Amino acid sequence: GIQVEQSPPDLILQEGANSTLRCNFSDSVNNLQWFHQNPWGQLINLFYIPSGTKQNGRLSATTVATERYSLLYISSSQTTDSGVYFCAVDGTQGGSEKLVFGKGTKLTVNP
Amino acid sequence: KAGVTQTPRYLIKTRGQQVTLSCSPISGHRSVSWYQQTPGQGLQFLFEYFSETQRNKGNFPGRFSGRQFSNSRSEMNVSTLELGDSALYLCASSLMRNQETQYFGPGTRLLVL
Repeated sequence: GIQVEQSPPDLILQEGANSTLRCNFSDSVNNLQWFHQNPWGQLINLFYIPSGTKQNGRLSATTVATERYSLLYISSSQTTDSGVYFCAVDGTQGGSEKLVFGKGTKLTVNP
Repeated sequence: KAGVTQTPRYLIKTRGQQVTLSCSPISGHRSVSWYQQTPGQGLQFLFEYFSETQRNKGNFPGRFSGRQFSNSRSEMNVSTLELGDSALYLCASSLMRNQETQYFGPGTRLLVL
């Protein structure tokens, strides 16, 4: 099956710093989503981005489908950005809502 | 529009018991998927339902089962609970199948003693 690798596994920042999280995947995808898991376990949708670039406030994401990677940018980080960021993909076999998740990047933003 | 809701939020069971978890998707969403999250295995796909039919199943034993009702609400059942079933169980819904954003509920934390 498709493999998803996220890097770095852990990231510690000072408030106000910028960061880039990476997601590599091993096969073509129809669906790629970025999630933020808060301390209570809720997965919050950040982006649905199988290709191209999107921006939402201080967050933006880029997926280069031909090179099989996606990047999540966080600018001017805040303590509330802390948590685990997951990339999830679905292969191009289609007919399935199965998402395959990476192991996540644990982000800690210190005041 | 209300988000995905899951009940109960927390559950404590003992080995050998069975448990039923419930998920109500976003209004109008017809696809419901279930995931298990553990510290060791991460987030793993359990199964997907659409139009009351299981469309896809992950690599879990037959003790894990589910169903979907005509109003798209879904339940999952775990029989003969084992300690390793302790996990966060997450439900996700999407409007249709394929190439759709999935929205997750808050999860049910199950502890098996």
